[in-house]
Amino acid sequence: AQSVTQPDIHITVSEGASLELRCNYSYGATPYLFWYVQSPGQGLQLLLKYFSGDTLVQGIKGFEAEFKRSQSSFNLRKPSVHWSDAAEYFCAVGAPSGGSYIPTFGRGTSLIVHP
Amino acid sequence: ETGVTQTPRHLVMGMTNKKSLKCEQHLGHNAMYWYKQSAKKPLELMFVYNFKEQTENNSVPSRFSPECPNSSHLFLHLHTLQPEDSALYLCASSQAGGRDEQYFGPGTRLTVT
Repeated sequence: AQSVTQPDIHITVSEGASLELRCNYSYGATPYLFWYVQSPGQGLQLLLKYFSGDTLVQGIKGFEAEFKRSQSSFNLRKPSVHWSDAAEYFCAVGAPSGGSYIPTFGRGTSLIVHP
Repeated sequence: ETGVTQTPRHLVMGMTNKKSLKCEQHLGHNAMYWYKQSAKKPLELMFVYNFKEQTENNSVPSRFSPECPNSSHLFLHLHTLQPEDSALYLCASSQAGGRDEQYFGPGTRLTVT
């Protein structure tokens, strides 16, 4: 069975600083990988996804992620964080099940942005 | 309306009550999901429906009863809940059979007293 580890429960950065959120996955086949963001009181919104091809994936809101098969990682990055980026970030790995690809989510990383 | 909507947004119920959560998607998807989100825990997949057929039930207690009358609507019927069932319940939809991402509703914040 697949699993996802997000080793950082909280990350605090200053506005304008760079950001990297870590994600490690365990899955026997080629993974389908996702990063979602959840703002307070909201559902999850997709930031970006990786299925195949270029291992550097661009997403919305200036985020990018790099798939590294050798390290089983899919870390999320942003060169300059804005205060509005404060939210909960979830990494997920998708596996086929019953006709859909069901994602398994990590526990999430809470991003705190200081002015 | 667009996207995935959920009603009510907040619900407080006693352990002997019966209530229902509603989810509606306006995206033309044919797969729908219920998740439970508790503090400090990963999202827990509860149920999956593909083309109105339930394809996944992750050992969810019978006090939670899903219903999917068509591909656009999903219900979660609640009865005899426990305080530990208090959580944010999220509905999501996607295209079945593909590798597309899920689209989530804003959730229903449930408190069981």
